[in-house]
Amino acid sequence: AQKVTQAQTEISVVEKEDVTLDCVYETRDTTYYLFWYKQPPSGELVFLIRRNSFDEQNEISGRYSWNFQKSTSSFNFTITASQVVDSAVYFCALSEGSNTGKLIFGQGTTLQVKP
Amino acid sequence: DGGITQSPKYLFRKEGQNVTLSCEQNLNHDAMYWYRQDPGQGLRLIYYSQIVNDFQKGDIAEGYSVSREKKESFPLTVTSAQKNPTAFYLCASSSQGTDTQYFGPGTRLTVL
Repeated sequence: AQKVTQAQTEISVVEKEDVTLDCVYETRDTTYYLFWYKQPPSGELVFLIRRNSFDEQNEISGRYSWNFQKSTSSFNFTITASQVVDSAVYFCALSEGSNTGKLIFGQGTTLQVKP
Repeated sequence: DGGITQSPKYLFRKEGQNVTLSCEQNLNHDAMYWYRQDPGQGLRLIYYSQIVNDFQKGDIAEGYSVSREKKESFPLTVTSAQKNPTAFYLCASSSQGTDTQYFGPGTRLTVL
């Protein structure tokens, strides 16, 4: 069975601190896709990154970086020098290898960045 | 601007009533999805459609129905058979099945 686990329910940091959000996944597929989405208080999910199972390169986008490690089935997300605007719920998701596009979501991590 | 719209933003329903949530996209995407989000939880798939006039059940389809008569529209009906319909409903679309899904702003349904 496919599963995504975000063990951190809530994280609170002070502005400018670095913070890492953990994501561990389970799948039997050899081809799969991993995603991170941000859900601000408005409720809409905002796409952050998509990574396929064959690409283990880490990625950096501004203050955001992602560490994908197949050996530990993890796809962690780091925010450097956090800002108050980063406060949101962050979801990690796994897409099945079939063509359905069905996403399996983790429970989400609520990040609060205090000024 | 291209995007996904959902209406209404807030919806109140009396028990025993059916209600339809709208989802429209102008991204020319083939695939569309409906998810349900309960407080403090992740999203769960209700229905999805990869092409016009075809759709499949997701993990929690009981008490819901959909139609896909047009490429840009994928309405969701919450029927009286749904035991706990109060939730936040999100619609998404993607170019094809395994491509990135983009989400609409959501509809918050409350049953009174």
